[in-house]
Amino acid sequence: SQTIHQWPATLVQPVGSPLSLECTVEGTSNPNLYWYRQAAGRGLQLLFYSVGIGQISSEVPQNLSASRPQDRQFILSSKKLLLSDSGFYLCAWSTPTGTIYFGEGSWLTVV
Amino acid sequence: GQQLNQSPQSMFIQEGEDVSMNCTSSSIFNTWLWYKQDPGEGPVLLIALYKAGELTSNGRLTAQFGITRKDSFLNISASIPSDVGIYFCAGQRGNKLVFGAGTILRVKS
Repeated sequence: SQTIHQWPATLVQPVGSPLSLECTVEGTSNPNLYWYRQAAGRGLQLLFYSVGIGQISSEVPQNLSASRPQDRQFILSSKKLLLSDSGFYLCAWSTPTGTIYFGEGSWLTVV
Repeated sequence: GQQLNQSPQSMFIQEGEDVSMNCTSSSIFNTWLWYKQDPGEGPVLLIALYKAGELTSNGRLTAQFGITRKDSFLNISASIPSDVGIYFCAGQRGNKLVFGAGTILRVKS
């Protein structure tokens, strides 16, 4: 069966520091991969999605970037974090029919 | 960008009552999905709908894909305390999903 795992689960970083959140999927090949951000426990905002290695689409211009170095690995990064980057970040993957499955989420607090 | 209108925003109901929530859109979607999110966790898929008019059940949950492909509803029968959480609808077209803002469900035991 397929599993998705993201880490770290929680992160406290100072303003201006870099960020790296990692996500991996097991049990499937060539999945679509996504990064979402959720603020204040409501509303999922799509940040990036990827249909293949090295293919990244950005939905919202911002201080973040994404990379897909391997088929089942998706990384969310920032060179310099802002206070407004704080939030709950969710990695997800989808089946060809579009059903999307989420990871456990990562809490980022920028101080 | 495209939006999903999910209602109600929140509900506070008595244990044992039935619950209904819905999502509407001005755009057509090929798939409708319903998720539940517990505090501090990622959303978990409840029901997936792939065909207009489809009615699908999962235990006490029932969801329907509207015939116009622009709406969907989720019903929960005989609610229990563990039903509390945030419920999200999502419409899918192509590689992207659009989510509703969520319905917060609180159950009074």
